[in-house]
Amino acid sequence: EPEVTQTPSHQVTQMGQEVILRCVPISNHLYFYWYRQILGQKVEFLVSFYNNEISEKSEIFDDQFSVERPDGSNFTLKIRSTKLEDSAMYFCASSAWDTKYGYTFGSGTRLTVV
Amino acid sequence: AQSVSQHNHHVILSEAASLELGCNYSYGGTVNLFWYVQYPGQHLQLLLKYFSGDPLVKGIKGFEAEFIKSKFSFNLRKPSVQWSDTAEYFCAVIRKSEMDTGRRALTFGSGTRLQVQP
Repeated sequence: EPEVTQTPSHQVTQMGQEVILRCVPISNHLYFYWYRQILGQKVEFLVSFYNNEISEKSEIFDDQFSVERPDGSNFTLKIRSTKLEDSAMYFCASSAWDTKYGYTFGSGTRLTVV
Repeated sequence: AQSVSQHNHHVILSEAASLELGCNYSYGGTVNLFWYVQYPGQHLQLLLKYFSGDPLVKGIKGFEAEFIKSKFSFNLRKPSVQWSDTAEYFCAVIRKSEMDTGRRALTFGSGTRLQVQP
């Protein structure tokens, strides 16, 4: 069964540093997403990406965040200057045009900002 | 604002007990509904989904859910839980009207942690 792959699985960074989280979505999917889950809290939507541009974003996704699809396979989330409150599990997901087939999530990257 | 409520935050059951986890959403119109499971240290996996048709949906691992439109609910059930069902369960919703405009973001509930004791 196709999988969404995320790297790294765990990243520790110092406050103020830039981090890039990487994802390889399912190859024939058209929509790509980033969600995050702060420890003990619910999964929150950050951004969706379609046709090489952001199609939707939440209030959380401010100027500190950016997404990119640098080539035909990778989808990245960049946090420019990390804050302590950015510590969370970040999930990448992808879906086909017709979401009746569901959304497929990756295993997540646990980001710890110290 | 869209809201998805999961009132049971932590449920503890013995093996073979029956399970029902509540999920309610707060807006009208046609919705698409999902239940995801997150086993410890793993990613979100789709258990089942409802788009249309029979409101009783059967998913993987013996789970089912019933969509009751009048109650804005999509409760998850399993007749007999196993220790391996210990996980966190998330309900998620998206409005069809949003999907029709190209939006795809799911709104998740806060999750229910299920602990099954052997």
